[in-house]
Amino acid sequence: QKEVEQNSGPLSVPEGAIASLNCTYSDRVSQSFFWYRQYSGKSPELIMSIYSNGDKEDGRFTAQLNKASQYVSLLIRDSQPSDSATYLCAVTLMYSGGGADGLTFGKGTHLIIQP
Amino acid sequence: DTEVTQTPKHLVMGMTNKKSLKCEQHMGHRAMYWYKQKAKKPPELMFVYSYEKLSINESVPSRFSPECPNSSLLNLHLHALQPEDSALYLCASSLAQGAYEQYFGPGTRLTVT
Repeated sequence: QKEVEQNSGPLSVPEGAIASLNCTYSDRVSQSFFWYRQYSGKSPELIMSIYSNGDKEDGRFTAQLNKASQYVSLLIRDSQPSDSATYLCAVTLMYSGGGADGLTFGKGTHLIIQP
Repeated sequence: DTEVTQTPKHLVMGMTNKKSLKCEQHMGHRAMYWYKQKAKKPPELMFVYSYEKLSINESVPSRFSPECPNSSLLNLHLHALQPEDSALYLCASSLAQGAYEQYFGPGTRLTVT
């Protein structure tokens, strides 16, 4: 059974600070890792994808993956009030025969950026 | 362009009705997905289509019937739903089934009365 764990929050961060969101997963063969942002009443929007250990940066966002620790994180630098949303961590499991399942999501972390 | 479109945006149906949800993408993606999201919960996978063939059915009740008429279209046929089926139904697509980024449509907000 694949599980993805996130702290549901709310996580409150002052404007301009770094927001740090964390995610752990239980399945050691999970291969692909994604962060989605979801505003209330809207659909999930892909923010970052990461496939190998280390850091991946895109603008104000940095994703970090540590497969040995089964840990993935998202850093948001220079946080803005518009970053206030629920952030969903998602993983995909690859099968040995080449197939894959769909996304398994964590419960999401509610992030609040305080002006 | 990473646009996935879904119609209708909102749907209210009775338990005896038959309705369909539609999803479309023109990105050349060959994998399409249906997810269900209840309030304050994460999306849950329902079905996966790969190259227009059903690849995964996550033990979804038969009152939900998916269809993939071509590589750009995905339908979800609804029949004899229950009030607990009220949720946001999300369609997503990716280049192929596997370790590829999935892009979500805006969703259909379904209310079963």
